[in-house]
Amino acid sequence: EVQLVESGGGLVQPGGSLRLSCAASGFTFSGFWMTWVRQAPGKGLEWVVNIKQDGSEKNYVDSVKGRFTISRDNAKNSLYLQMNSLRAEDTAVYYCARDIGPPYNAMDVWGRGTTVTVSS
Amino acid sequence: AIQMTQSPSSLSASVGDRVTITCRASQGISNELGWYQRKPGKAPKLLIYAASSLQSGVPSRFSGSGSGTDFTLTISSLQPEDFATYYCLQDFSHPYTFGQGTKLEIK
Repeated sequence: EVQLVESGGGLVQPGGSLRLSCAASGFTFSGFWMTWVRQAPGKGLEWVVNIKQDGSEKNYVDSVKGRFTISRDNAKNSLYLQMNSLRAEDTAVYYCARDIGPPYNAMDVWGRGTTVTVSS
Repeated sequence: AIQMTQSPSSLSASVGDRVTITCRASQGISNELGWYQRKPGKAPKLLIYAASSLQSGVPSRFSGSGSGTDFTLTISSLQPEDFATYYCLQDFSHPYTFGQGTKLEIK
């Protein structure tokens, strides 16, 4: 079964750091772009960042540039999101998602999400 | 960044109704647009990709159309399980951007 499972969320103080993980199974992880999407309480979906199959290309939304870093370990079938200098507005459920595959960019497989709360 | 304007923001409809949701891009995005369904407590679900391609396993009552800047998602005959929030996402250029969502409620 194709599956993505996020972990690492929690409560962190403003200015703190957190590392999210996403474990992939049931497909050839190294063959797909991967993405993080978030949804803040009461708000809509926000695309955050994606990463190419070999990690050579990464694209970020402006609001997280310089604070968040996406990475992957294809040997461990895992995706990561290192979040530094966290702000209250980063509070959200974070989802990892698999891109459908070229030539398309849509996300066809999603995890259930992990909750990040930034509060003092 | 490309802005996606989705309308309406909310919609009340009945089972069996035909419903259309629109999304407008601030610049041309070819056909690089997807539609997603979001239910409370569940992960988003891909319905349509490349503006009009139905994702595997999605019922045929869902359809998408459009190219350039104007796109539509149509549900031909609403079913009880379709009441949810729908989002468009442009995947033409980074950063990808979602519309603000359309909440589809039971009338």
